Amino acid sequence: DSGVTQTPKHLITATGQRVTLRCSPRSGDLSVYWYQQSLDQGLQFLIQYYNGEERAKGNILERFSAQQFPDLHSELNLSSLELGDSALYFCASSSTLAGGKRGELFFGEGSRLTVL
Amino acid sequence: DQQVKQNSPSLSVQEGRISILNCDYTNSMFDYFLWYKKYPAEGPTFLISISSIKDKNEDGRFTVFLNKSAKHLSLHIVPSQPGDSAVYFCAANKPSSGSARQLTFGSGTQLTVLP
Repeated sequence: DSGVTQTPKHLITATGQRVTLRCSPRSGDLSVYWYQQSLDQGLQFLIQYYNGEERAKGNILERFSAQQFPDLHSELNLSSLELGDSALYFCASSSTLAGGKRGELFFGEGSRLTVL
Repeated sequence: DQQVKQNSPSLSVQEGRISILNCDYTNSMFDYFLWYKKYPAEGPTFLISISSIKDKNEDGRFTVFLNKSAKHLSLHIVPSQPGDSAVYFCAANKPSSGSARQLTFGSGTQLTVLP
């Protein structure tokens, strides 16, 4: 158990809809990251927040947005969903901007999104 | 554009033998490399990391080797155990403003350790 909690674990929705994925980081971690893993692909970096502020942005679509709240939990909003958005979405956290003591990130179990 | 490549989707090894997982990268700006292990229905778990200023890092049964000139790193697991059976991801960090972490992952290698 990494200490990172993601909800929901599974989500099935239709094209054109909007969903929100939630992440609670490990206790004390200020940095939250979102990654997308499509079928048979590596994890693609989407966005990083640190203490409420956006700090790094990857290949995140304009239809996607994220925020980190004062209690440090984060939400990833996916709108106008397309079939290709079906994927595993991972949240990770770390104590500092640059990761843990060994530069590592701690990942949650992921939220599996299926768009029909 | 796959900047981090794991060309072997799968690898089978006998218990007790050495497992060698390989990873190639194209971006010379990467300054830090990590290996993660992933079991089904779980998130990736950190295994070991190495800075670009080193060429080897060891942690118990796990050793990572970095060859910067070849843009290649490898993970050695000795001896391999059935519990090591998992998908292994190589990841590389690209420096960004304010030292933020931005990891690029390979597509993973499924390791199966046979008893």
